Amino acid sequence: QLQLQESGSGLVKPSQTLSLTCAVSGGSISSGAYSWSWIRQPPGKGLEWIGYIYHTGSTYYNPSLESRVTISIDRSKNQFSLKLISVTAADTAVYYCARGVTAPTYFAFWGHGTLVTVSS
Amino acid sequence: DIQMTQSPSTLSASVGDRVTITCRASQSISSWLAWYQQRPGKAPKLLIYKASSLESGVPSRFSGSGSGTEFTLTISSLQPDDFATYYCQQYSRDYTFGQGTKLEIK
Repeated sequence: QLQLQESGSGLVKPSQTLSLTCAVSGGSISSGAYSWSWIRQPPGKGLEWIGYIYHTGSTYYNPSLESRVTISIDRSKNQFSLKLISVTAADTAVYYCARGVTAPTYFAFWGHGTLVTVSS
Repeated sequence: DIQMTQSPSTLSASVGDRVTITCRASQSISSWLAWYQQRPGKAPKLLIYKASSLESGVPSRFSGSGSGTEFTLTISSLQPDDFATYYCQQYSRDYTFGQGTKLEIK
């Protein structure tokens, strides 16, 4: 059974960089059939797709976040990562990693999510 | 950006009721629409993809329909586990979600 597990810093200061990792178990991140996404949800609000990466390293980002986002993949560790620079309080959210199929995609498998708070 | 608008924002219903949630897209998305259920403190769970295809393991009381710009999620007979928040998501161009519909116990 595929499992996704987010980890990383739960508290980030304004203007600094948010860094999260999603460990994948029960399946290979190198499978060509899937995309690997980050999605976030501010407290009490709706969902926002951040971006995805394929096993080839090819990425695609939400245009509204593209200037601040980098998603990378580590096939040897079966995980992928998110970096979001220059964070503000508006970036406070539960961050989920999720697996989709090749684009266009919906999200059939999700991690449990991790809360990241931006505060000094 | 393709905007997704759900209605209603909140829906009160009773166990056994038939309920329908609507999702409208700001432009045509063909059938590139998914529905999710989210319980408090949990990740979203995929229910429906490609507007009307039921995800494996999802009870048959859930159904989806529509194409173009108007879509519906129907729950034929509400069960206690169904009281949650529901989101639609378009995947025609980029990926955007509706604002959510909270299904409450009447």
